Formats: sequence, C-alpha cells, structure tokens
Amino acid sequence: EVQLVQSGAEVKKPGESLKISCKGSGYSFTSYWIGWVRQMPGKGLEWMGIIYPGDSDTRYSPSFQGQVTISADKSISTAYLQWSSLKASDTAMYYCASDYGGKNYFDYWGQGTLVTVSS
Amino acid sequence: SYVLTQPPSVSVAPGKTARITCGGNNIGSKSVHWYQQKPGQAPVLVIYYDSDRPSGIPERFSGSNSGNTATLTISRVEAGDEADYYCQVWDSSSDHPYVFGGGTKLTVL
Repeated sequence: EVQLVQSGAEVKKPGESLKISCKGSGYSFTSYWIGWVRQMPGKGLEWMGIIYPGDSDTRYSPSFQGQVTISADKSISTAYLQWSSLKASDTAMYYCASDYGGKNYFDYWGQGTLVTVSS
Repeated sequence: SYVLTQPPSVSVAPGKTARITCGGNNIGSKSVHWYQQKPGQAPVLVIYYDSDRPSGIPERFSGSNSGNTATLTISRVEAGDEADYYCQVWDSSSDHPYVFGGGTKLTVL
C-alpha cells in the first residue's frame, strides 16, 4: 500500500527557516513524482512544485519559484519543502502528493503539515 | 495560465443526483481529474482521465468532459458525500502545469 507520511505541525516566527518532510513507503520512491500543494485557511488547492526523486528533476510554479526549495533524499524515500525566511502569509496546510510515472494527476496524498507563522 | 472555473457551492437532497461543473477554454481537449476533500482531511482522487475511477471509489461517482465543461456526477447522493470537490488538469503549455479549480462545496440537504 502506497503511503505518504508527513512531518508534524510547526509553529514558527517570521524570518525563521523551516524544512518539512514527506516520507514515502509501499512503492518504488524513485518511480513517482512528488508534488507539494498549499492550502491556505479556508481556501483552495495551489500547486507549488514537483520533484522526481530518481534524478532530482524539480519544477516550480512561478508563484513559488524563489520562495521555497523542494528537494528529495531517495536513500530514505523522503521529499522536503523548505523556507529560508518564513512570512505570516506562509501560514497554511501543506500537502505532498504523488504522481506515478508522470500521469499528471495526484493519486496518493500525505496527511498534510500545518505551518503556522506568527510573531 | 490556464483557468478552471467551478461554482462555489452545490446543494442536493439525499438520494438525488449532484452535478459539479468545471469550466475551461476547450477543456474537452484536456484530461480532467477530480478530488474530494472532506473537512480536516487530505484530498482523495475520485476520478481521473475524465471518467475513470480509482479502486475503492463507488460507482456512484462518474465524470464526463466535452467542449468547455467537465462534469463530476454523483448519483444517489449520501450524507457522507458532503465535501469540497476540486477539478484539476495538466496544462502542458504552461510553466504552471498542474492547475486546480477553485473548488465546489457540496452540501447534502
């Protein structure tokens, strides 16, 4: 069974850095693209970017390019989303989701990581 | 970039049929995928490639896509179907290829 398990909720101050994780199991981690999706409070889904752990090919939405960094460590089947300097507007739920073989939809989702940025 | 338009809300009585639309320019030429998100939960894929259902999704969920509108149809609606529903396409010509609609809140009366 494919599972994506994300790291726990975070509370941070503006300006702090953060790295959240998404660990895959039950499948070949290097065969799936892993995407990140933001959901701000009470709002819809926004695609942030995606990585192919097999070769670390990474694509970003223009809205998030330069604002976050997506990476992966295939040796531990884990993808990451990180910020170098958080803003209050980064407060949101962040989901990782898998796209098997580049089929262009997300077939499995992590449980989400809630990031709260507040002074 | 490509824009998908969904109605903010749809209401339906139990046992009836709900239809949730997703509008986009010539969306019939693209593959449309649908996700269900219940309160406090992660999204779940319910329809992919316009009309295919993942294993475990009831046959009551179906999809169609033609012209400028894709439709998610839920037959014999149950209280447990109350959720937000999002359509999604992949826009190959864009640098923002995974495009989501704004979401539709399905209320079961």
